[in-house]
Amino acid sequence: EDQVTQSPEALRLQEGESSSLNCSYTVSGLRGLFWYRQDPGKGPEFLFTLYSAGEEKEKERLKATLTKKESFLHITAPKPEDSATYLCALTGANSKLTFGKGITLSVRP
Amino acid sequence: DAGITQSPRHKVTETGTPVTLRCHQTENHRYMYWYRQDPGHGLRLIHYSYGVKDTDKGEVSDGYSVSRSKTEDFLLTLESATSSQTSVYFCAISAGGGTGGNQPQHFGDGTRLSIL
Repeated sequence: EDQVTQSPEALRLQEGESSSLNCSYTVSGLRGLFWYRQDPGKGPEFLFTLYSAGEEKEKERLKATLTKKESFLHITAPKPEDSATYLCALTGANSKLTFGKGITLSVRP
Repeated sequence: DAGITQSPRHKVTETGTPVTLRCHQTENHRYMYWYRQDPGHGLRLIHYSYGVKDTDKGEVSDGYSVSRSKTEDFLLTLESATSSQTSVYFCAISAGGGTGGNQPQHFGDGTRLSIL
């Protein structure tokens, strides 16, 4: 069974303090790994798809990377508006989308 | 933003009553999904559709039924609501396949359902 574990559960940063969110996974035949951002009272908002180890995607202050066992979401010089819950999900050979439980990021001004 | 509208956005109802949630998309995507999101469980798939009148069960389908009579609309029905179905329900759409292909799913803003 595919598994996704995100850590830490919650992270508090000072504005400008860069950090990384971790998504560890086990999967049979990775078809895609996805990162989402979710704001309170809203649905998950798609950020990135990664397909193979070594791939990187970047958008503004966010950069997602992928190895054979983990994905990282690096946040460079975060701002308070980056505060949200970040979800990692993947699809394996069974075509089933499996979500992690999310990391709640709080960025203090 | 993906054109997904969920209605209603909030609903409070009583145990034993039927409830129908609606998802409407303007993207003409083939695949549509219903999830529930609960603290400690994350997002769990209830049912999904891979075309008009083509639906299948997800991991938590008991007590739920779905229908898709048009490409743009996907309905989730709780035939006789129970308190354990109190949750936030999200609809998602995707251009690519199955319960989760290699194309991302895009989500609506959810329906907060409380069953008393």
